[in-house]
Amino acid sequence: GAVVSQHPSWVICKSGTSVKIECRSLDFQATTMFWYRQFPKQSLMLMATSNEGSKATYEQGVEKDKFLINHASLTLSTLTVTSAHPEDSSFYICSARSPNGNEQYFGPGTRLTVT
Amino acid sequence: QQQVKQSPQSLIVQKGGISIINCAYENTAFDYFPWYQQFPGKGPALLIAIRPDVSEKKEGRFTISFNKSAKQFSLHIMDSQPGDSATYFCAARVKGRGNEKLTFGTGTRLTIIP
Repeated sequence: GAVVSQHPSWVICKSGTSVKIECRSLDFQATTMFWYRQFPKQSLMLMATSNEGSKATYEQGVEKDKFLINHASLTLSTLTVTSAHPEDSSFYICSARSPNGNEQYFGPGTRLTVT
Repeated sequence: QQQVKQSPQSLIVQKGGISIINCAYENTAFDYFPWYQQFPGKGPALLIAIRPDVSEKKEGRFTISFNKSAKQFSLHIMDSQPGDSATYFCAARVKGRGNEKLTFGTGTRLTIIP
């Protein structure tokens, strides 16, 4: 149990285009999901907290107009990187909070490369 | 401000040995301390977690030791195997209503050599 999936696993896009990443909790409902960014050999940096049916809460320094988050159902949250630029290239990882609220389960990550 | 300090940054252990990774925190409001294992190109996987009301938790070859007064906790991997080679992150979370974020340590790259 407690499986979180992400799609796509990797994506290459051209500068100026937008990319949508999906995060799904496959076998449980998640009222809260989190989006992280991870650079090579570094720790996870929280970008935003996504609550079902409400607006996401962004961490300081994260542009909410550039990283659009939608959590329309209890099993799906999406992250859209708008007008992507090469500096947005990174490993994006989502996680979902377990129903009992104790654990966070992570997705496999999405490698974004902007050319 | 780094709220969870993790050491060492990298660790090499011989197969069969004990791997020890340490973390220290300052915020006494933390009440949940998980450890995650991450392989290259993959998302972190929850390994084991502990709450401050216990001093030790063991699951298989993995043990968390927790010292509340010193505000430190550590991960011990017994009988380390090459398959344990990965990056390990400690984390901590403030007690609250449930959507509280995790604060991660900087990670330890563990390499188990034959």
